[in-house]
Amino acid sequence: AQTVTQSQPEMSVQEAETVTLSCTYDTSESDYYLFWYKQPPSRQMILVIRQEAYKQQNATENRFSVNFQKAAKSFSLKISDSQLGDAAMYFCAYRSANGGSNYKLTFGKGTLLTVNP
Amino acid sequence: GAVVSQHPSRVICKSGTSVKIECRSLDFQATTMFWYRQFPKQSLMLMATSNEGSKATYEQGVEKDKFLINHASLTLSTLTVTSAHPEDSSFYICSARVGVNTEAFFGQGTRLTVV
Repeated sequence: AQTVTQSQPEMSVQEAETVTLSCTYDTSESDYYLFWYKQPPSRQMILVIRQEAYKQQNATENRFSVNFQKAAKSFSLKISDSQLGDAAMYFCAYRSANGGSNYKLTFGKGTLLTVNP
Repeated sequence: GAVVSQHPSRVICKSGTSVKIECRSLDFQATTMFWYRQFPKQSLMLMATSNEGSKATYEQGVEKDKFLINHASLTLSTLTVTSAHPEDSSFYICSARVGVNTEAFFGQGTRLTVV
């Protein structure tokens, strides 16, 4: 079974600074997807960024980028120019690409990000 | 982006009663829907996966007779918590997916309080 580990329960960053959230995972599969989801106080889950394992290029979405190290099974999220609205719980998630278990998501335990003004 | 609507957003029920939560995909047909439970400051725990027209697949440890899931159409799945007890109080979230390589979109969640 796949596991996702987020080793940082809480992180804080100053507004306009950069922060990196860590995520590691364990899998025996070669084809899969990785995601970062944001859950603000409203508790609505919002997709921040996704990465296909077969792509070597790291995904980017505006101020959000990932550092995907497939061999190391590491998938960190970098938030540049942090804004107050970035404050939220961030979840790293894994999904198989081969149809196993209906493509369900496996989530890490989350990292609570605080942005200080 | 695709919209998933979950209703109600909050519900309070008496112990021993049943409560139904709806999850609707508003602008797409969802072949698969997922139901999660989330305790305060914790991650999402998958309860079950449902495919339209077939029985839901429950995760280990989830009581299927207590948490009834119905996915009768491609746009609607329901979760019924039967004979609710205070320990069932939690935040329940659904998500829906349209195809095999597409994203799963999340509803806004339902906060259930059993008194």
